[in-house]
Amino acid sequence: DQQVKQNSPSLSVQEGRISILNCDYTNSMFDYFLWYKKYPAEGPTFLISISSIKDKNEDGRFTVFLNKSAKHLSLHIVPSQPGDSAVYFCAASAVNRDDKIIFGKGTRLHILP
Amino acid sequence: NAGVMQNPRHLVRRRGQEARLRCSPMKGHSHVYWYRQLPEEGLKFMVYLQKENIIDESGMPKERFSAEFPKEGPSILRIQQVVRGDSAAYFCASSPGQELFEQYFGPGTRLTVT
Repeated sequence: DQQVKQNSPSLSVQEGRISILNCDYTNSMFDYFLWYKKYPAEGPTFLISISSIKDKNEDGRFTVFLNKSAKHLSLHIVPSQPGDSAVYFCAASAVNRDDKIIFGKGTRLHILP
Repeated sequence: NAGVMQNPRHLVRRRGQEARLRCSPMKGHSHVYWYRQLPEEGLKFMVYLQKENIIDESGMPKERFSAEFPKEGPSILRIQQVVRGDSAAYFCASSPGQELFEQYFGPGTRLTVT
């Protein structure tokens, strides 16, 4: 039973354009959402997060949008740069429950020159 | 300040052998988490430890797997009598407290069981 779903295994975007990575979740108890970026042979690194009391959080080129009614969140990267090529994991947690982070399967983003 | 260190980076074991994976948290971090990533899957939580205490092991298989975080030294994830299905990347993360976004991940240990 996958509680965090990233339905696109891969995505290719032209350099300079917007990258949009999508994520759906099923557990309505989740109240904190995170995005991680992972390069080959490295561990994931935290990118950006959002609490369920917000619907948008922005940090430089990265913006995360949360639609609670649809149980959907997305990560926007604009403008996309070559160094953004990586696997992006969506993750969620029920902070007031058990604090465990539940990860999606990841989306591999390719930034094309 | 060195990041989270894991060793070995690659480990090959035959079926039935034991695997020991080590994780040295970042300096000043007293919380350690272990995750497993199977091929084509996301990371799955295994266990959360503080110094000398297992806080949450709900993600650990009931048999053959154990973890510790002694007062001195690294955290150890131990897998006894490994089977092919244990082949995966094992990631350790550490944090200074319980804030979720403060988990810093190590580079992982890739275990291959032949």
